[in-house]
Amino acid sequence: GQQVMQIPQYQHVQEGEDFTTYCNSSTTLSNIQWYKQRPGGHPVFLIQLVKSGEVKKQKRLTFQFGEAKKNSSLHITATQTTDVGTYFCAGLLSNDYKLSFGAGTTVTVRA
Amino acid sequence: DAGVIQSPRHEVTEMGQEVTLRCKPISGHNSLFWYRQTMMRGLELLIYFNNNVPIDDSGMPEDRFSAKMPNASFSTLKIQPSEPRDSAVYFCASSPPTRTDTQYFGPGTRLTVL
Repeated sequence: GQQVMQIPQYQHVQEGEDFTTYCNSSTTLSNIQWYKQRPGGHPVFLIQLVKSGEVKKQKRLTFQFGEAKKNSSLHITATQTTDVGTYFCAGLLSNDYKLSFGAGTTVTVRA
Repeated sequence: DAGVIQSPRHEVTEMGQEVTLRCKPISGHNSLFWYRQTMMRGLELLIYFNNNVPIDDSGMPEDRFSAKMPNASFSTLKIQPSEPRDSAVYFCASSPPTRTDTQYFGPGTRLTVL
């Protein structure tokens, strides 16, 4: 089964509001990555976090990696219709290639 | 620069038929991954190639599935015989030598087996 759990599965957001999606691993991760998949599209790499407690920002998106390197979050402020899609976290476990993808958070936006 | 190229984009076939999915990785990338995506199981890694050699095929569901990478610019995923439960979107992804953990996905092949 999946070793990386992601919640919530669905997020319905009013345009302009903020939301957060969370990712948890049962084991310590080497790094964690976030991908976005638009409806009908393919996963697109957004960012990678490597260091314990790391925080990175991309415009309205803030990514955090937990101190224990077992959890991560993606926070989006002032949601826009362009944010629609499914956000996946993917953890890199003990080896150097096998990403364990979360189930994804599918975001819909009410205008 | 061209991204990962997959063909066909859509495939509809009947149960029992052979299906071949194709992938051209990004030039210069030496790692290639095949994934399957379904609503029930999410993204599953099927097989991983490095320098054209299969490194991990533990995700291949059963003997009906096979994958090859005859050279650095081409890979195939074959299902023979196909079954309705194989219906899914199949993604190919590639990674550069210096960033094996960052994967660039192709547009996917949506397979429907009737």
